[in-house]
Amino acid sequence: SNELTQPPSVSVSPGQTATITCSGDAAANQHVYWYQHKTGQAPVMVIYRDTERPSGIPERFSGSTSGTTVTLTISAVQAEDEADYYCQSAENSGTYWLFGGGTKLTVL
Amino acid sequence: EVQLVESGGGLVQPGGSLRLSCAASGFTFNTFWMHWVRQGPGKGLEWVARIHRDGFSTSYADSVRGRVTISRDNGKNTVSLQMKSLRAEDTAVYYCARELPAAGDYGLDVWGQGTTVTVSS
Repeated sequence: SNELTQPPSVSVSPGQTATITCSGDAAANQHVYWYQHKTGQAPVMVIYRDTERPSGIPERFSGSTSGTTVTLTISAVQAEDEADYYCQSAENSGTYWLFGGGTKLTVL
Repeated sequence: EVQLVESGGGLVQPGGSLRLSCAASGFTFNTFWMHWVRQGPGKGLEWVARIHRDGFSTSYADSVRGRVTISRDNGKNTVSLQMKSLRAEDTAVYYCARELPAAGDYGLDVWGQGTTVTVSS
């Protein structure tokens, strides 16, 4: 299957830990990338190659992988982290790209 | 500053055509694969198309293949998306994005702010 499945929504209180999962065959066979997308802004890559954090991204963002599921973890969530989060992978040596359906993170 | 700036969006009737452009600056454009990604109203991100550094290799999402053509002009540091036979479901914000430079690293590290396409009569 060439789909990536994410929960539609996750809610946490400030200071708590948010976990967003992304599952599918593509997640098991290829690297996964995570993006934060706030309304009216350009998406921002927050994790690349499953677990790596780009420069400038706060350390509270981390990625992990286990089998067919990859996870984005945001520790000590802040109000500014409220956004939509998307996982993404690619198949056939980058010929076909796919995004997960997105997860809306709400900071209560 | 690394930057991507899209233009060309607007209102178009069903069945019409539109050409989007993306101007790149602040990096060596001809060394990067480039992409278009879109987001329909109330929907998630959807990958649209990809083009090789030299412009001779392209790939497309099934939803647009045959109706959309991605191209680039490395002399002008621009990437374009020619769209035809537009449908209501093509209504979206269209983003231009840069692929990570490392071989086999299939992620998008730089994005533009997007340009809005509305297909409606």
